[in-house]
Amino acid sequence: TQLLEQSPQFLSIQEGENLTVYCNSSSVFSSLQWYRQEPGEGPVLLVTVVTGGEVKKLKRLTFQFGDARKDSSLHITAAQPGDTGLYLCAGAEGWGTYKYIFGTGTRLKVLA
Amino acid sequence: DTEVTQTPKHLVMGMTNKKSLKCEQHMGHRAMYWYKQKAKKPPELMFVYSYEKLSINESVPSRFSPECPNSSLLNLHLHALQPEDSALYLCASSQGSFTGELFFGEGSRLTVL
Repeated sequence: TQLLEQSPQFLSIQEGENLTVYCNSSSVFSSLQWYRQEPGEGPVLLVTVVTGGEVKKLKRLTFQFGDARKDSSLHITAAQPGDTGLYLCAGAEGWGTYKYIFGTGTRLKVLA
Repeated sequence: DTEVTQTPKHLVMGMTNKKSLKCEQHMGHRAMYWYKQKAKKPPELMFVYSYEKLSINESVPSRFSPECPNSSLLNLHLHALQPEDSALYLCASSQGSFTGELFFGEGSRLTVL
């Protein structure tokens, strides 16, 4: 089973600051997703990246898929308290697979 | 309709009880999943059904028994569980394309006494 390591594990920042979360693996993924999860709820999809080198922007969030499709990053600009939550990357293991493995998670807290 | 509905939201059971968790989706998705999530940990894959057939079992103990009666429904039958099985059980569905995109329910929080 492929492993997805996220860093940092925990992040506590002030409102307005920028941050980057990393998702790394030694294996290649056919696609990679980012989810945010709030306490007591299921994860909610933020974005899917498929092509190596791909960059996607979602308002203040910028997602990048590494050229070799082994890593990804999530950058948040001007963080807000509403961004607080558990951020999870998830990779599709192999091609045409239904097996999605989650990263170790990054718990973000944005202080007002 | 883009919802995955899980029932019950909360379940407390003794180690000798038999109970079931239920999941329903009406998005026409062909793959359905059970994940287990312990506190402050990421979801761990348990089972995957594709086209109503069990395609992945991540070496889950037999006290957890999945069932997929039709393409919209997924059950998880629970029997003789242990206290360490207490967790949030998440159901998800996907179209099954290689781009992924799992749609999750809100989960069923299980407590085993």
